[in-house]
Amino acid sequence: RKEVEQDPGPFNVPEGATVAFNCTYSNSASQSFFWYRQDCRKEPKLLMSVYSSGNEDGRFTAQLNRASQYISLLIRDSKLSDSATYLCVVNGGDSSASKIIFGSGTRLSIRP
Amino acid sequence: EPEVTQTPSHQVTQMGQEVILRCVPISNHLYFYWYRQILGQKVEFLVSFYNNEISEKSEIFDDQFSVERPDGSNFTLKIRSTKLEDSAMYFCASSLEHTDTQYFGPGTRLTVL
Repeated sequence: RKEVEQDPGPFNVPEGATVAFNCTYSNSASQSFFWYRQDCRKEPKLLMSVYSSGNEDGRFTAQLNRASQYISLLIRDSKLSDSATYLCVVNGGDSSASKIIFGSGTRLSIRP
Repeated sequence: EPEVTQTPSHQVTQMGQEVILRCVPISNHLYFYWYRQILGQKVEFLVSFYNNEISEKSEIFDDQFSVERPDGSNFTLKIRSTKLEDSAMYFCASSLEHTDTQYFGPGTRLTVL
């Protein structure tokens, strides 16, 4: 099983649609979870941290299910500017807490 | 807003040469990292650095690689005897604590000919 697994997409949705991404991770000891976005040939940028209680930031909602080792990201009312690759990121757990592991990313393309 | 900076933005070198990639992490951050991303592939962890020593490294980070914090602001990645397969984007990142958000620099694109 991959350490962090994501559906690679691409997701091609119309502007205004709601889109959901899923991610699973293999290390049950992982402590920190994030969604980053990466534009073409640019650095990853933090979108949001993911907490057990779930968290929302405007149009974005992230959920964490520790029992199932599953993370999700929901984007509502999608904008053209949301087109990017979304990276699920998990830290390495107690023995390697400073190592973060990236998923391969899910490509999202918003069409007018 | 403070940010991580990296120089150069693009480095072209001949196979077998040594390169040094430079990074200036966010000033109050304590943990520093290097990642690489081969074109079309995922971001891969190379090494983390804290308190002037390596805290973790991946299997990619072999004897060809070394890191250094030569002064209070710079953090460098040295690649000795570069190979064609070292061509990639190299990202530096920093964080306040080891489980905190890591902030990435804009990257250095390394091309080995």
